[in-house]
Amino acid sequence: ETGVTQTPRHLVMGMTNKKSLKCEQHLGHNAMYWYKQSAKKPLELMFVYSLEERVENNSVPSRFSPECPNSSHLFLHLHTLQPEDSALYLCASSRLAGMSSYNEQFFGPGTRLTVL
Amino acid sequence: GIQVEQSPPDLILQEGANSTLRCNFSDSVNNLQWFHQNPWGQLINLFYIPSGTKQNGRLSATTVATERYSLLYISSSQTTDSGVYFCAVTGNQFYFGTGTSLTVIP
Repeated sequence: ETGVTQTPRHLVMGMTNKKSLKCEQHLGHNAMYWYKQSAKKPLELMFVYSLEERVENNSVPSRFSPECPNSSHLFLHLHTLQPEDSALYLCASSRLAGMSSYNEQFFGPGTRLTVL
Repeated sequence: GIQVEQSPPDLILQEGANSTLRCNFSDSVNNLQWFHQNPWGQLINLFYIPSGTKQNGRLSATTVATERYSLLYISSSQTTDSGVYFCAVTGNQFYFGTGTSLTVIP
């Protein structure tokens, strides 16, 4: 496979469930990102990992827990979510994180999450 | 953070028409990207263009970094061009604009 892949593509969960979103990049990049895109809203950056260390956490509730076991994989663990967390969750990767003379981001296809 | 404004917010075109989308940003940036988000949510890279002009088929983009804006030109639009177009810039992190929603009607 090439590029950035995400699984599952669709997820429906109840508020008491625990689930995980998975992202994998095959581009040899060192930085990975989670974004949330709610209906009619711009993309919101949630977390940034660079070389497997979290470098950005944009005031995300603790019911979202990221994990980056290596530079190719990124997870988003979900527990006790609320209906307003229903959104498209997008993963991205780039060669480096933050300010850089070359830092193009590539996105996965997203996971469409519905919380009942 | 850096403010990224896109205009127009919505655009409806007849197939075959040309259009220009604009992205203004509030501070100096290192990088600028244009994306097309298709109806299934996939963000497709169109251009990586921190400065200058690039062309790819019917699409071209120009960034004037000193004046803090970028333009995306779509010529001879097709129905498959429909979707939302985002620009994103890099300061200390990535900042996305609110997008231009384009509908091309046959």
